[in-house]
Amino acid sequence: SQKIEQNSEALNIQEGKTATLTCNYTNYSPAYLQWYRQDPGRGPVFLLLIRENEKEKRKERLKVTFDTTLKQSLFHITASQPADSATYLCAWGSSASKIIFGSGTRLSIRP
Amino acid sequence: SAVISQKPSRDICQRGTSLTIQCQVDSQVTMMFWYRQQPGQSLTLIATANQGSEATYESGFVIDKFPISRPNLTFSTLTVSNMSPEDSSIYLCSVEGAQAGFQETQYFGPGTRLLVL
Repeated sequence: SQKIEQNSEALNIQEGKTATLTCNYTNYSPAYLQWYRQDPGRGPVFLLLIRENEKEKRKERLKVTFDTTLKQSLFHITASQPADSATYLCAWGSSASKIIFGSGTRLSIRP
Repeated sequence: SAVISQKPSRDICQRGTSLTIQCQVDSQVTMMFWYRQQPGQSLTLIATANQGSEATYESGFVIDKFPISRPNLTFSTLTVSNMSPEDSSIYLCSVEGAQAGFQETQYFGPGTRLLVL
């Protein structure tokens, strides 16, 4: 069956360091992968989308990579800040009609 | 962008009762989605609701348990019927949206936190 996995349930990072979150998929080839941020008590908020033919995408301090050989996407937050603390969700789909979410990684940035 | 509101934001219900959750969008959208997020878990799609047609349910979810209405292009309801403690979850609605030019993205509402006793 198609699976999307986020390796770390929780990640603790010192402020100022780069946080790297991992998303792996098996048994399918997604056309794209998305990353969302979810704060407690709120719905997910879209951050970045990367397509299968793209190696890397950037947005301010965020960077996403997509390695179709490793079947993996990495999500980086550089110069991390306590305000970056949240749960980050990886998701995939072939259209907007059905997106499958990973279990999420809870990121904590300590001052 | 789309702004989505949900009512109620939270509720505590007795087992065996039903709760209807409302989802309002500030613009007309074709597809609306209902998700469940159980404690500590990720989002699971319950169904897709298109205006003017029956909702399409995902495996493991049935209309008798989660009836959905979609009377117009800006509104939808999800009812959680004959509730049990296992239905305690956050229920989220979402809509497709062209965020940063990507049709494949979704906007989410704030969620409805349900506790069944």
